[in-house]
Order: sequence, then C-alpha cells, then structure tokens
Amino acid sequence: GAVVSQHPSRVICKSGTSVKIECRSLDFQATTMFWYRQFPKKSLMLMATSNEGSKATYEQGVEKDKFLINHASLTLSTLTVTSAHPEDSSFYICSAGLASDTQYFGPGTRLTVL
Amino acid sequence: GDSVTQMEGPVTLSEEAFLTINCTYTATGYPSLFWYVQYPGEGLQLLLKATKADDKGSNKGFEATYRKETTSFHLEKGSVQVSDSAVYFCALRVQGGKLIFGQGTELSVKP
Repeated sequence: GAVVSQHPSRVICKSGTSVKIECRSLDFQATTMFWYRQFPKKSLMLMATSNEGSKATYEQGVEKDKFLINHASLTLSTLTVTSAHPEDSSFYICSAGLASDTQYFGPGTRLTVL
Repeated sequence: GDSVTQMEGPVTLSEEAFLTINCTYTATGYPSLFWYVQYPGEGLQLLLKATKADDKGSNKGFEATYRKETTSFHLEKGSVQVSDSAVYFCALRVQGGKLIFGQGTELSVKP
C-alpha cells in the first residue's frame, strides 16, 4: 500500500527556535498533502492543505506566518514551525492524497518546545 | 458546518465481546465516510470506507454502513481481540479532499 513517512519522529527544541518537519510519499506522487495537529486525547485538527507548486491553504485560526508550508515536489511537503513556543508542543501529522480519494497518513512528529 | 460526532470513550470490553462505536455526521451533499485506527505509538491507518448511501465498508472483521437517513456510520465488530485496542476515528471527506474527524474513541480490550 501507499506509504507516507515523516522526519523527524520526535524533536525537542528551545523556545524561539524554528523546526522543520518533512513529509514524504514514498511510493506514489501526491499533488495534495495535508497537515494536522493532534493534541493529547483529542482529535486531529486540520491546519492546512498543501498543493504542489502553489501556496498552501490554511484553515481558519492557523497562523500562516508561524506555520510555513512548502510543497516542493510531488513527493515532499515540509512544515516549519517558526519561533516555536511551548504552546506549539504537539503531535503533527501529515497525510497524502491519492486520486482514489483515500488519504494515507504519516506516523507523526512529536514536537516538544522547552 | 460539516462535523462528526463519535461516542465518548474509553470503551473497555472483554475479548470476544461485540463492539459498536457510534458515529453521526453533519454535512452538505454526500460525503465519503471513513474509519481510521491509531494503534499506540503509531500513525493513523485507514480501516474502512464507504462512498455512498447504503454502502458497507468492511475490513479485519470490522464493518460500517453508510446510513443517509440517520446520517450515521457506526463501526461494529462481532468479536474483538486484545490486538484491537486502539483509538478509532470516524471521518468525513469534504470538497477539496479535506478530512473532518470525530474526537476519537479509545478502545481497550481485556483478555
């Protein structure tokens, strides 16, 4: 089946620094990737839709200048959390869509901001 | 707006018990419906899906039927195993491919 990877799987950073998370579709090309945030014991919240070669579409309430998304190729999207603060600590998950409309999810990245 | 509501967890069952996790939705049009499962420490995996009314999705002994009249997509399994312990998410797909998730239901199956 379709495989989506994320790197790193977990990262700890100091407050004020920036962190980049990569999402790759390993065996298929994805024109659309999605970024979600999951809080403990909570559902996934869609942050943005990433389209290859164009600007990402952000959900209401998500700061686009804080969460920079780049979809450089059909197999890679990156999420950069800029000037991270402790409240940004969370589990970030990406997914990639196929033409069949099924989304395949990455294993997630645990971000801890000290 | 579009939304998904799941029964609250955690749900604790004994092995071989019958499982039902309720899911209802609100949406314009006729969205595709999904159940995803998240095992401890892992990412979400698609469990099953249904794309139109009266479709039944099934996988690994789980099944769910798309009921337009009750706007529901309840997940069922006749006999759960310890290995089914996980968090289950109901979701609907709206225009543009976005998924809207329910809050998740944690299932714990005891031997």
